[in-house]
Amino acid sequence: ELKVEQNPLFLSMQEGKNYTIYCNYSTTSDRLYWYRQDPGKSLESLFVLLSNGAVKQEGRLMASLDTKARLSTLHITAAVHDLSATYFCAVDMLPDKLIFGTGTRLQVFP
Amino acid sequence: NAGVTQTPKFQVLKTGQSMTLQCAQDMNHNSMYWYRQDPGMGLRLIYYSASEGTTDKGEVPNGYNVSRLNKREFSLRLESAAPSQTSVYFCASRAGHLGQSPLHFGNGTRLTVT
Repeated sequence: ELKVEQNPLFLSMQEGKNYTIYCNYSTTSDRLYWYRQDPGKSLESLFVLLSNGAVKQEGRLMASLDTKARLSTLHITAAVHDLSATYFCAVDMLPDKLIFGTGTRLQVFP
Repeated sequence: NAGVTQTPKFQVLKTGQSMTLQCAQDMNHNSMYWYRQDPGMGLRLIYYSASEGTTDKGEVPNGYNVSRLNKREFSLRLESAAPSQTSVYFCASRAGHLGQSPLHFGNGTRLTVT
């Protein structure tokens, strides 16, 4: 059974700092997704990573995928308050299952 | 373009009551999903449907049934609600063959079972 683990579960960081969220998964997959959820809201898609070595960037966020290590990272550069949210990774498992990690709650303070 | 629509938004049930959560998408997506979200547990997959006419169990299917009524609609039924089913339920859909596309989520149904 596929297990998807994120760490840290909670991250409090100062504005302007850099940090990385990690997503490890237990079985072979080359498709991984990152989502953002604001409190009380639904989830929105951030990144779609579909092959080993894939890297995507949007603003201060950059996601990468290493399928051999079964690891994805979400790197935050020079954090700002607007990035405060919960971030989830999700892994595709054939034939069509999508399994989520437990989420990382990010708080950015001045 | 409404995307994924869930009804109701909120519901309170007594233990043992039944109800159906409705979900419809207008994006012509093949695959549809039901998740539940509990604090500290992330999203857990209840059931999914890879195409019209098929449904499969996810991580936590016990206590639930689903129906893929047509390509647009995927409902989730609780036959005899229990307090452990208190949660926020999200429906989602996606296009594409065998994945490779992100999920589009509805706004969720907040269910309380007393």
